[in-house]
Amino acid sequence: SYELTQPPSVSVSPGQTARITCSGDALPKKYAYWYQQKSGQAPVLVIYEDSKRPSGIPERFSGSSSGTMATLTISGAQVEDEADYYCYSTDSSGRVFGGGTKLTVL
Amino acid sequence: QVQVVQSGAEVKKPGASVKVSCKASGYSFASYYIHWVRQAPGQGLEWMGWINPNSGGTNYAQKFQGRVTMTRDTSISTVYMELRRLKNDDTAVYYCAREFSGWFDPWGQGTLVTVSS
Repeated sequence: SYELTQPPSVSVSPGQTARITCSGDALPKKYAYWYQQKSGQAPVLVIYEDSKRPSGIPERFSGSSSGTMATLTISGAQVEDEADYYCYSTDSSGRVFGGGTKLTVL
Repeated sequence: QVQVVQSGAEVKKPGASVKVSCKASGYSFASYYIHWVRQAPGQGLEWMGWINPNSGGTNYAQKFQGRVTMTRDTSISTVYMELRRLKNDDTAVYYCAREFSGWFDPWGQGTLVTVSS
């Protein structure tokens, strides 16, 4: 079955840039989406269609995709950005999430 | 406002079945697919499948085929997810979510299903 691969964890200091990657063979043809999930809460969409930002999401969140890798970038990460981040995409049989990346900001 | 509201927590024994409901409001129920996603304690998100509320058509992740059934009742704008032959590792929070233009929005509040003897 199709898989999306993310690093288990990323750690940055406040104000630094955090980059979270997501690799998958179908990403050259399929959009990547990114969700943020804070403890005990439902996920929230932060990036859609590789690089678009929903209304209400801070400008420090951006996305890009090249070849088989999509990247979520948080420029000037804040303490409140500490959360789990999941990439998400589609494949021929349905939908798939990456394994998730725990972002620590301290 | 657009929302989906799920039924409450369940405790089940191994081998039993569970049926979780998801009631939609604030939009045209038949116009958007509903997906089910689960999250085991301390684990990541796992997509289970979708239902087309208009036709009743479904698509299940291979892992759950034969054990899950998604249905809908259009008269009350509600979809259901039934999981059978429960095992301890089916213990998870189960979310429903509307698919909107390729992504999930909104999500339900989640339903904790605990499987324990």
